[in-house]
Amino acid sequence: GENVEQHPSTLSVQEGDSAVIKCTYSDSASNYFPWYKQELGKRPQLIIDIRSNVGEKKDQRIAVTLNKTAKHFSLHITETQPEDSAVYFCAAHLMDSGYALNFGKGTSLLVTP
Amino acid sequence: DVKVTQSSRYLVKRTGEKVFLECVQDMDHENMFWYRQDPGLGLRLIYFSYDVKMKEKGDIPEGYSVSREKKERFSLILESASTNQTSMYLCASCPYPAGDDEQFFGPGTRLTVL
Repeated sequence: GENVEQHPSTLSVQEGDSAVIKCTYSDSASNYFPWYKQELGKRPQLIIDIRSNVGEKKDQRIAVTLNKTAKHFSLHITETQPEDSAVYFCAAHLMDSGYALNFGKGTSLLVTP
Repeated sequence: DVKVTQSSRYLVKRTGEKVFLECVQDMDHENMFWYRQDPGLGLRLIYFSYDVKMKEKGDIPEGYSVSREKKERFSLILESASTNQTSMYLCASCPYPAGDDEQFFGPGTRLTVL
């Protein structure tokens, strides 16, 4: 099945700096790549996603890039704020594999004031 | 607004007990999922269902079973709970066609097996 690797496992940045989280996937037929944010004690929530026919997508301070050749995708958060502190999960969906997502192990982001 | 609810936020059970975790969604989604979340291991898929009475094994189905008798309800069953099943359990749902669409998560059930 699909294998999703996520790095780093922890990331600490100062408020205002940028944060980048990277994920790689194994199956070139993967077609959908969402990112979820999970604040402490809360449920994961989708923050941005990208499909395989697009190379980049941006929503205010967050952006996702996809490199299909290299089979990796990244989450970029600019002008980080303390409320960005959370665990972030990337995921990949393999077309025609069924209805499930394969998640990375998560990145714990800490933004210090 | 999609709402996914789980029957308990915290549950404490003893080894060998049969445990039922219930999940209900109110948006008429075809697809429902059960994950367990452990520190450093991320979200691991236990089982999912794409229709009533249909189920598919995920990555870690051993020791678990599921039931989907109604579209809105997806139950996770631990036939004989063991201490290594102590974990956070998350339910999720998403509309058809699934896989390439947002999954909506429940609040989670933190299960402790003594």
